[in-house]
Amino acid sequence: AQSVTQLGSHVSVSEGALVLLRCNYSSSVPPYLFWYVQYPNQGLQLLLKYTSAATLVKGINGFEAEFKKSETSFHLTKPSAHMSDAAEYFCAVTPSGNTPLVFGKGTRLSVIA
Amino acid sequence: DGGITQSPKYLFRKEGQNVTLSCEQNLNHDAMYWYRQDPGQGLRLIYYSQIVNDFQKGDIAEGYSVSREKKESFPLTVTSAQKNPTAFYLCASGDRGRVYGYTFGSGTRLTVV
Repeated sequence: AQSVTQLGSHVSVSEGALVLLRCNYSSSVPPYLFWYVQYPNQGLQLLLKYTSAATLVKGINGFEAEFKKSETSFHLTKPSAHMSDAAEYFCAVTPSGNTPLVFGKGTRLSVIA
Repeated sequence: DGGITQSPKYLFRKEGQNVTLSCEQNLNHDAMYWYRQDPGQGLRLIYYSQIVNDFQKGDIAEGYSVSREKKESFPLTVTSAQKNPTAFYLCASGDRGRVYGYTFGSGTRLTVV
């Protein structure tokens, strides 16, 4: 079975600082991995996905994530935080297109002016 | 524009009542999903359907029912057997067999009064 662990339920950074949101996965087969963002009282929006091509994946709004098989990690980063990045972020995993996504518990990002 | 629509945005239920949450998509996606979101618990899968007239239970199906009579529609009924229904419910759709990620609706917030 697949699972996702997001370290830190709440991360706070200063505007302009590096954003690092951690995601570790467990999967018995090569996984497909996703990061989603959720603004208050809204649905989830796809930020980026890893589907076994390049290990460094670039997404929208300046975010990127690196798949590290040896560390079973897929951490999300952004070089410089903006106030508009304040939201909740979810990491998700699936072994195939026929298996529903399994989500982590989420990390709430706060950006301090 | 293609998308996925959930209605209503807010719903109030009295104890012992059944309520139905609507989810409609015009993306021509085969697969549709219902997730429940509670603070600090991430998204948990209730039911999913990969083809018309077929659906499978997710991790927390007890107290819920669904139908999939049309490709575009996947309504969720929260029955009186669901003991703690207050939550944010998210519907999503995706291409069956492909790992492009899901498109999410904007959610329905259900409150028991």
